[in-house]
Amino acid sequence: DTGVSQDPRHKITKRGQNVTFRCDPISEHNRLYWYRQTLGQGPEFLTYFQNEAQLEKSRLLSDRFSAERPKGSFSTLEIQRTEQGDSAMYLCASSYPARGHETQYFGPGTRLLVL
Amino acid sequence: KNEVEQSPQNLTAQEGEFITINCSYSVGISALHWLQQHPGGGIVSLFMLSSGKKKHGRLIATINIQEKHSSLHITASHPRDSAVYICAASNTGKLIFGQGTTLQVKP
Repeated sequence: DTGVSQDPRHKITKRGQNVTFRCDPISEHNRLYWYRQTLGQGPEFLTYFQNEAQLEKSRLLSDRFSAERPKGSFSTLEIQRTEQGDSAMYLCASSYPARGHETQYFGPGTRLLVL
Repeated sequence: KNEVEQSPQNLTAQEGEFITINCSYSVGISALHWLQQHPGGGIVSLFMLSSGKKKHGRLIATINIQEKHSSLHITASHPRDSAVYICAASNTGKLIFGQGTTLQVKP
């Protein structure tokens, strides 16, 4: 296993621009989660997929946010018309609960700064 | 009120001290997780508990399901234990996180 990877690691953008982040989970992990963490706070749940199906979305995920996992492998998170309040660390995690446990393995995160 | 509450928010200890971080939750859970986050963001899972107690090296995690309370203990603390420790409740798969406890262990 090479672990969960995320790309890019850092992104600086201007307000109003669109950004897209990618997450590659551990191979064979069928669940993939997106979380957001602002400075000094614990992460907050955004959405998760089981295979290619998006099973739950947080109310935090406004219409400007969209996530996909088209082939049940990697996932993308897009933010349209970014706002300064979107500045945060975006974390991805994967798990394989069918093996009888729910340990989630986290990627290094993508740190977004909206100017 | 947050669904998962941790205390203390900040903790400073001298090397060798016994450390306890507490977590209370108000939601139904399938498991309670303890995670460690180092500067730069990387999060590592330490424990996943649904009952009783687990031990790994100098770390011990306990949970009381009736009281909806969990504790993380670090014995013989070391400066390399300095990090943010986060408890999280898992509920339908997703994690509901506490706000984290920032631990600094001084030599």
